[in-house]
Amino acid sequence: EVQLVESGGGLVQPGGSLRLSCAASGFTVSSNYMSWVRQAPGKGLEWVSVIYSGGSTYYADSVKGRFTISRHNSKNTLYLQMNSLRAEDTAVYYCARDHGDLGAFDIWGQGTMVTVSS
Amino acid sequence: EIVLTQSPATLSLSPGERATLSCRASQSVSSYLAWYQQKPGQAPRLLIYDASNRATGIPARFSGSGSGTDFTLTISSLEPEDFAVYYCQQRFTFGPGTKVDIK
Repeated sequence: EVQLVESGGGLVQPGGSLRLSCAASGFTVSSNYMSWVRQAPGKGLEWVSVIYSGGSTYYADSVKGRFTISRHNSKNTLYLQMNSLRAEDTAVYYCARDHGDLGAFDIWGQGTMVTVSS
Repeated sequence: EIVLTQSPATLSLSPGERATLSCRASQSVSSYLAWYQQKPGQAPRLLIYDASNRATGIPARFSGSGSGTDFTLTISSLEPEDFAVYYCQQRFTFGPGTKVDIK
């Protein structure tokens, strides 16, 4: 079964760090484009970051310099390292397969909640 | 940077009625536009890609059309499970969403 399962969310103080994980099954993370998309409470969807199969990475301006996307090929897992967290980073974070041929996100995880608050 | 605008913000309809949702891009995106459905507490689900192609397992009552800057998602006859929020997306940009609720 093709599936993505996120973990690692939680409550963190402003300025703190958190690492999210996204374990994939049924397909190979390193052979695909993989993205993180977030959704603040009651708000719409916001793309955060992508890692291409070749390893190139890109970020939304709102997280550039603070977040790092990476993957562990043998664990078939995607990561998002989040540093210098701010209240406005509070959101549900989804990992998604970015199907380049479709130009769309065709597989989504269930999401993990990140709350930045003192 | 491409900006996507969706209208209306909310659409109040009854089961069995036809829903027509609009997405407008600030510049031409050719046919590179996707639509998603999101229900409360759930992840988004891909409905349509490349403006008019249904994703795997999506019922035929969902259809997409358009190219350039103007796109439409049509639900031909609303089922109870179709009441949700719908987002359009072009690469790394999402529209603000249209909520389809029960009249």
